[in-house]
Amino acid sequence: AQSVTQLDSQVPVFEEAPVELRCNYSSSVSVYLFWYVQYPNQGLQLLLKYLSGSTLVESINGFEAEFNKSQTSFHLRKPSVHISDTAEYFCAVSDTGNQFYFGTGTSLTVIP
Amino acid sequence: NAGVMQNPRHLVRRRGQEARLRCSPMKGHSHVYWYRQLPEEGLKFMVYLQKENIIDESGMPKERFSAEFPKEGPSILRIQQVVRGDSAAYFCASSLTPDRGHTEAFFGQGTRLTVV
Repeated sequence: AQSVTQLDSQVPVFEEAPVELRCNYSSSVSVYLFWYVQYPNQGLQLLLKYLSGSTLVESINGFEAEFNKSQTSFHLRKPSVHISDTAEYFCAVSDTGNQFYFGTGTSLTVIP
Repeated sequence: NAGVMQNPRHLVRRRGQEARLRCSPMKGHSHVYWYRQLPEEGLKFMVYLQKENIIDESGMPKERFSAEFPKEGPSILRIQQVVRGDSAAYFCASSLTPDRGHTEAFFGQGTRLTVV
């Protein structure tokens, strides 16, 4: 089975500062990787995904993540955060069996 | 194409009552997942179903909890004799079948269960 580790449960960052949310996974097979975002009292929304091809993937609102197979990581980054980025972020991995495994989440708080 | 629909959005039950949570997957999706999110905690996998089949229920509590995904109609997560510790947000997600290409799981808005 796969597992996902998000080491940082809470990340406070000042507005317009850069941020990195870390995600590591364990797997012995090919995986697909995802970042989801959850705003208060909402469901999860897909932020970006890696299925194949370029290891650097981007979202429409400025986030990016890089798949690093040797380090089994899929860290999420943004060069300049906005107040509206305050949310819970979940890293997830799935395998060819279509089972999805989620990390425990990282709460990003952007400070004005 | 409507997204994943969960109802009700909010559900209040007294201890000992039954809770039924419904999930209609996206059109064309035959895989359904249920997750539980407790306050200040992450997303805990409960069960993974296909139409008329339970694929993985390793995250389901051994007692009082059951799930189904019938050939027709929504997936149902059923909690019998609820206790205060069952209070949580329950999320449903759906995805395509693997042979139609791998994709992400799409989530519903969740059902927030409060046991009083």
